[in-house]
This record gives sequence, C-alpha cells and structure tokens, in this order.
Amino acid sequence: SQKIEQNSEALNIQEGKTATLTCNYTNYSPAYLQWYRQDPGRGPVFLLLIRENEKEKRKERLKVTFDTTLKQSLFHITASQPADSATYLCALDEDTGFQKLVFGTGTRLLVSP
Amino acid sequence: EPEVTQTPSHQVTQMGQEVILRCVPISNHLYFYWYRQILGQKVEFLVSFYNNEISEKSEIFDDQFSVERPDGSNFTLKIRSTKLEDSAMYFCASSPTDRNYGYTFGSGTRLTVV
Repeated sequence: SQKIEQNSEALNIQEGKTATLTCNYTNYSPAYLQWYRQDPGRGPVFLLLIRENEKEKRKERLKVTFDTTLKQSLFHITASQPADSATYLCALDEDTGFQKLVFGTGTRLLVSP
Repeated sequence: EPEVTQTPSHQVTQMGQEVILRCVPISNHLYFYWYRQILGQKVEFLVSFYNNEISEKSEIFDDQFSVERPDGSNFTLKIRSTKLEDSAMYFCASSPTDRNYGYTFGSGTRLTVV
C-alpha cells in the first residue's frame, strides 16, 4: 500500500541547533515533493518544493534534499528559533496529469530557548 | 499577500443536515482543492477542480459530497446528510499552473456534527 511516513514523535531541540526532519515514502513515484508548515488550528503554509531531478534546494535557513533511490526527503532548519516550533508536513505530487498533493502525517518540532 | 478566504470559520450542524462550506480562492489561480483534517490526524485530499470540473477525487469524496464554482470567485463544498464522522477541519486551497509556488491554503472551517 502507499505510505508517506514522518516521525510521529515530536522533535525537541535547543535554539540555534539544526533541526532535521525525515519523510519516507512507499509505492509512490513523486515528480515533486513539497514541505509545508502547519500551526495549530491553521492551514498548511507552503515552504519549499523540490523536483525529482534535484538533489537539494535551499531557501534562507531551510534546506531540503530528495533521494529517489532511498525514497526519502530530509528537511533541515538551521539556526533554529522558538518561532520555528510547528508541525512540518511533507507532501508528494506524482504529476499524473492533474494536480493532487498527498500529505504525510507530519512531525511536530519544538525549539526551546 | 493574496489569501484564500474560507467561511464560516466554525459550523455546528445536526446529524443528517446539509452544510455548505465556502471558499474564495486566489483570483489568478486555476486549480482548486478541498482537504480535510480530522483532529489529530493527517491532512487528507478530497477533491481537485480545474476548468469547471472535478479533475480528481479520493475514495472519501463519495455521493455525499459535491463541489461547485457558482460564479467567478467562489468555490463551495456541499456535504449532504452529515454524519458524526464528518466532523473535521475542512481546508480549501488553490494553486497556479506553476508548481513552484505550491498550494495556498485557507484557514479552514471547523465542522462539528452533533
């Protein structure tokens, strides 16, 4: 069956450290992989997109890697701040001709001062 | 910055009643979506809409659900004969043709069926 797995346990880190979140998928062939941030009671907010032929993408303190052989994406936040505390969702788009994004379960990140 | 607007923010309805959730997508976006999130669970795809018709739908989106774009700006989700298990946060989203911009989600409508 198809699965998109993210760490269900919350990730606790100290301010200033790098947070690394993992997204693993099974039985998907994504053409695009996206990362979103979700705060409690709010809709997801788009952060970054990486294509299947890209290994790495950066935006300010964010970095995403995409390994289609391992079927895994890593999402890094460098110099983390308490304001980065949120749930981070990975989402896959198989580009079947229509746009349809399928989300993982999300990982909650807690950054302590 | 352009926003996706959803109304109402909260809706309480009796089991068996019909509800209509409303959304105003970003004006130059061409793709529209509905997702739902049951409390504590993941964001689930319901339906995508393009060029005034459904382009894809999930197994969740059965005959109980329908979508409509009644005019040039609104996008609605109708849920008929609501059940207790329909209680969830419903998110509308829109996206442009260029995937690099991702989806823009609204703040959601919290539906409670009692």
